Amino acid sequence: DAGVTQSPTHLIKTRGQQVTLRCSPKSGHDTVSWYQQALGQGPQFIFQYYEEEERQRGNFPDRFSGHQFPNYSSELNVNALLLGDSALYLCASSLRGRGYEQYFGPGTRLTVT
Amino acid sequence: GQNIDQPTEMTATEGAIVQINCTYQTSGFNGLFWYQQHAGEAPTFLSYNVLDGLEEKGRFSSFLSRSKGYSYLLLKELQMKDSASYLCAVRDLTSGTYKYIFGTGTRLKVLA
Repeated sequence: DAGVTQSPTHLIKTRGQQVTLRCSPKSGHDTVSWYQQALGQGPQFIFQYYEEEERQRGNFPDRFSGHQFPNYSSELNVNALLLGDSALYLCASSLRGRGYEQYFGPGTRLTVT
Repeated sequence: GQNIDQPTEMTATEGAIVQINCTYQTSGFNGLFWYQQHAGEAPTFLSYNVLDGLEEKGRFSSFLSRSKGYSYLLLKELQMKDSASYLCAVRDLTSGTYKYIFGTGTRLKVLA
């Protein structure tokens, strides 16, 4: 039973560039949530996707956008990168209606220089 | 607004018992979760409370009081491998959609 997978593992970008992070949910899950975790902080909710639509959004600017595909996988896009965007980006999947069973992927470590 | 508070750091001795407290404020409370996160790794699910009371799971127990906006995670028979951050998270249900709000985490150091 495949768990949540994310790619890439690490990424280094320059200020102003754009980045795309990818997530494949756990088998049988249809809902994907994205979180940003700065060093020493708890994860901050970015947004959640279900049925290929953004259903909920946290306090993140429009530079952060996403997409969910028919196979439930998801992408997180960040435009015009800032130094402050350096963080661990976590993807979590769940099955709608059983949201308490949320499983996290290993994360993508993004460094903006 | 939405807010979660938990201590930043705690230290305990191997074999001892430690209690990590969490207080929260949210308008659409729909459950409280505890996650363990080792340095450089993803959070892993420990416990879930939606009703008042104590949930026990091996060496870990979690308590919830919805009227007080309060929860604690109790770790018994501490082991060195329990050294990690413990994240308290509240699930908020608004407009039919779940959203998780995490605290900053409590870094637990277990000493020999």
